[in-house]
Amino acid sequence: GAGVSQSPSNKVTEKGKDVELRCDPISGHTALYWYRQSLGQGLEFLIYFQGNSAPDKSGLPSDRFSAERTGGSVSTLTIQRTQQEDSAVYLCASSPGLAGTTQYFGPGTRLLVL
Amino acid sequence: RKEVEQDPGPFNVPEGATVAFNCTYSNSASQSFFWYRQDCRKEPKLLMSVYSSGNEDGRFTAQLNRASQYISLLIRDSKLSDSATYLCVVYAGNNRKLIWGLGTSLAVNP
Repeated sequence: GAGVSQSPSNKVTEKGKDVELRCDPISGHTALYWYRQSLGQGLEFLIYFQGNSAPDKSGLPSDRFSAERTGGSVSTLTIQRTQQEDSAVYLCASSPGLAGTTQYFGPGTRLLVL
Repeated sequence: RKEVEQDPGPFNVPEGATVAFNCTYSNSASQSFFWYRQDCRKEPKLLMSVYSSGNEDGRFTAQLNRASQYISLLIRDSKLSDSATYLCVVYAGNNRKLIWGLGTSLAVNP
């Protein structure tokens, strides 16, 4: 079956521009996560959506970052006024039930801010 | 103290060696535990869940020690293809987010 997909796979942007990253989770998965991973570093949690509950935004690094999940499916991560330190791989994962179940990751979006 | 801690390595071992990684966690109420594998420039993928009684999947054995709050991963007869970063993941319950370790890097050499 189809896995988690993300688009674009690569994004190069100029400092100060806004970017939108998209995640299509596995159909039927109620939980969706966004992570960030800088080169050679560990996963940095950004935000977690579970069904219709209020998202856990505790990992968003600044108010330039926001995310939404429409209709309990597709999610968009928006970074406003991008900075060079935002350059990283942004990974999306979904899981079928509660947070303690297996996460399935998309291939990520590699963001480079010049 | 970090919620989940791993030795970053790198562990350099020859083919055929046995290697073990430990991961400690701080929340004694943690409920579920996992090992994920991440290849270079790829996304993490589930390697195995860790059950209370310990579990084995081929050359891989995972164990949980709740009293000491650590989990372990043992790889026997290492293959070149085992070279990757191994991530320890802990779920504390109440539908909270998973907590990820920073990973242990393994390089299996010919």
